Amino acid sequence: GQSLEQPSEVTAVEGAIVQINCTYQTSGFYGLSWYQQHDGGAPTFLSYNALDGLEETGRFSSFLSRSDSYGYLLLQELQMKDSASYFCAVLRNFNKFYFGSGTKLNVKP
Amino acid sequence: DAGITQSPRHKVTETGTPVTLRCHQTENHRYMYWYRQDPGHGLRLIHYSYGVKDTDKGEVSDGYSVSRSKTEDFLLTLESATSSQTSVYFCAITRTGSINEQFFGPGTRLTVL
Repeated sequence: GQSLEQPSEVTAVEGAIVQINCTYQTSGFYGLSWYQQHDGGAPTFLSYNALDGLEETGRFSSFLSRSDSYGYLLLQELQMKDSASYFCAVLRNFNKFYFGSGTKLNVKP
Repeated sequence: DAGITQSPRHKVTETGTPVTLRCHQTENHRYMYWYRQDPGHGLRLIHYSYGVKDTDKGEVSDGYSVSRSKTEDFLLTLESATSSQTSVYFCAITRTGSINEQFFGPGTRLTVL
């Protein structure tokens, strides 16, 4: 089987930096993805890490350590519109994706 | 936007009735997926398809069946709906050559009374 652990909820202030961690246990691991979902909406892709290290896309960065089965999503210069749920997901063999239960980010003024 | 539509968008049905949800894509991608999303559980894979008539089970496939007779359509059927299948159902695709990124449809909210 597989498991992904991420915090259920995080609160931060507008303009701050927040890190959302994800630890995973799985076989056939290919990479780790992050998705954002606003209330009532569909998940949208943010980033993907197949190799160890940091990937940066604008205000968002994602990190992966394959040896530690660990990754995180870093959001900088938080804005109110970043209030959403964030999901980590592992890509396994046979093109299967498995999602964590999500982290609800509350951004306060 | 990957040209994914789902129908119906909302449905209320009674326990024991059959229900079919449709996912349609306009870009002829090979891989299609069905997920359900419930509070506290994130997205859980029900079934997926890697081509016409080629499907496989996900982590929560009991009580669900799928069919894919055309590249553009992936159908999810609840043979006899139960209240535990009340959920939001999302269809997703991965684009050929970009398998690490999933694109999701708008979702179907299903309520089983």
